Order: sequence, then C-alpha cells, then structure tokens
Amino acid sequence: AQSVTQPDIHITVSEGASLELRCNYSYGATPYLFWYVQSPGQGLQLLLKYFSGDTLVQGIKGFEAEFKRSQSSFNLRKPSVHWSDAAEYFCAMYTGTASKLTFGTGTRLQVTL
Amino acid sequence: GAGVSQSPSNKVTEKGKDVELRCDPISGHTALYWYRQRLGQGLEFLIYFQGNSAPDKSGLPSDRFSAERTGESVSTLTIQRTQQEDSAVYLCASSRSTSPQQYFGPGTRLTVL
Repeated sequence: AQSVTQPDIHITVSEGASLELRCNYSYGATPYLFWYVQSPGQGLQLLLKYFSGDTLVQGIKGFEAEFKRSQSSFNLRKPSVHWSDAAEYFCAMYTGTASKLTFGTGTRLQVTL
Repeated sequence: GAGVSQSPSNKVTEKGKDVELRCDPISGHTALYWYRQRLGQGLEFLIYFQGNSAPDKSGLPSDRFSAERTGESVSTLTIQRTQQEDSAVYLCASSRSTSPQQYFGPGTRLTVL
C-alpha cells in the first residue's frame, strides 16, 4: 500500500538552530513528493516539490529537501530556523495511480527563543 | 490571481443536521479534490473530480457524505445527519488536469455539537 511516514510528531528547536524533518514513503516507483506548511487556522502552503532531476530541491522561506531513492526519503531541512517557522509540516506524495495526494500525519515544529 | 476559496470558514451545527460546504477552485483548474483533516491528524482524501469524468468517491467515509461539481466550477460537499466524529477541517484543492501539484483553500472548520 502507498503511504507516507513522518516519524516525528513534535520537534522543538531553538531559533537560529538547524532543522531537519524526516519523511519516508512507501511506493514501488518514484512518486512526486511535496512538503506543505500549515500555520494555525490556515490552509496548506506549498514549500517545495520534487518531480524529477536534481535530488536537492530548493523551496520558499529558505527550506530545501533532498530526495534519496535508496532510503525512500524526502527530508526537509533549513540551516537556521526563525520563530515564524513554528507551524505544522506535512510531507505528501502523488503517484498518479491514485489521483490524490497521500499525506503523512504531520510534524509540529515549535521554535524557542 | 485568485486562489481556491471556501465557505463558510467556520460552521457550528447540531448533531443530526445537514451541512453544505462550498469550494471555488482556481479558474482553469479542471481537477478538484476534497480532503478532511481531523484534529492532530494528516489529511484524508475524500473525493476527486476531473472535468466531466465520473468522480472518484473512494475516500468518502459513509453514505452520509456526498459531493457535486457543476462542470469545472464550484463544488459542494454535503454531510447529512452530521455526527460528532464529522468535526474536522474540510479542505478543498484544485489543480490543472495534467499537474500533480494541488493548490489548497483555507478550509472550513466544522464543529458538530
């Protein structure tokens, strides 16, 4: 079955520290991969996406993610976190065999000052 | 340009009542999706419309849930005889027919008392 796993439910980092949010997927081929961010009471905003090509993708707000086929992973990173990055982050995949996005359960990021 | 819009933003209803949620997709987007997000969880796919094709209803949790879409415009999600477990944020997304990238609306927060 197709699935997305985000192992970390909640992460706390200090402002200025680096961040890595983990995402693993289960699918027999390479899917399209996305990271979305959701601030409280808001909809989902796309941070970045991977379709093909360069496995290191850059997104908005200084985020990047690296696709690793061997590990079925698509981890999100940011070198220096800002307090405004506190939000919930969702990893998602699209395979085309099912016309929908499959989401992970999300990682809530808390930033301490 | 205008993004995906949803109304109402909040809906409080009593158990057993019917509710209708509305979604206005981005102009020119032929694909429209409904997702449900329960508190503290990821997004669950509900239903997918693509142009004039028969909708993919595989995610609807019960026959109390239904959705309609007129052509490539507005969609309404109807929940009949609401139950407390229907309380969630209902998110709508749209995309171009050939793109896996979906654009999300702000959601409707439904509370069933």
